[in-house]
Amino acid sequence: GQNIDQPTEMTATEGAIVQINCTYQTSGFNGLFWYQQHAGEAPTFLSYNVLDGLEEKGRFSSFLSRSKGYSYLLLKELQMKDSASYLCAVRKGNTDKLIFGTGTRLQVFP
Amino acid sequence: EADIYQTPRYLVIGTGKKITLECSQTMGHDKMYWYQQDPGMELHLIHYSYGVNSTEKGDLSSESTVSRIRTEHFPLTLESARPSHTSQYLCASSALGGREETQYFGPGTRLLVL
Repeated sequence: GQNIDQPTEMTATEGAIVQINCTYQTSGFNGLFWYQQHAGEAPTFLSYNVLDGLEEKGRFSSFLSRSKGYSYLLLKELQMKDSASYLCAVRKGNTDKLIFGTGTRLQVFP
Repeated sequence: EADIYQTPRYLVIGTGKKITLECSQTMGHDKMYWYQQDPGMELHLIHYSYGVNSTEKGDLSSESTVSRIRTEHFPLTLESARPSHTSQYLCASSALGGREETQYFGPGTRLLVL
């Protein structure tokens, strides 16, 4: 079966660094995605990992360890606009179907 | 920036009505998807299409139907709306092939069935 776990909520201070973890168990693995979703809006693509290691994109970085079924999204120099839900999604092997976690709601305070 | 559009953005309708949620993309993507998302919950795939005249049911059972007559258009229809259909419906598309095949999402339709 498929199972994706993320913390439900996190809080952080403007300018700080926050790490959002995601663990997964799937019957096959073909890549992991992170999306940002502001309340009432559509998810927007942040990052993609299919090989182990760190992918950096400006203030956001994403890490993957396939052997551990683990990923994290690292947000640096937090801004108020980063307050949103962050969705971890795993693509099943040999398909392009995405299995989404419930998302982590991040609140950034001044 | 993804060019994928959904209409209407919000819809309040009575039980038993037939509704069609529209989704269009101008990126020439072959693959299109419909997801259902309840507040605070994960997205669930309800339909997908790999191209014209191709439609498949997703992982979450849904009473809705879809069609794909044109590449850019992937409407979702509920023949008889019920309160249990109240949810947010998100359309997405992705290009065939390539390393990522990233799915890009439309703004969503919030449906309330009374």
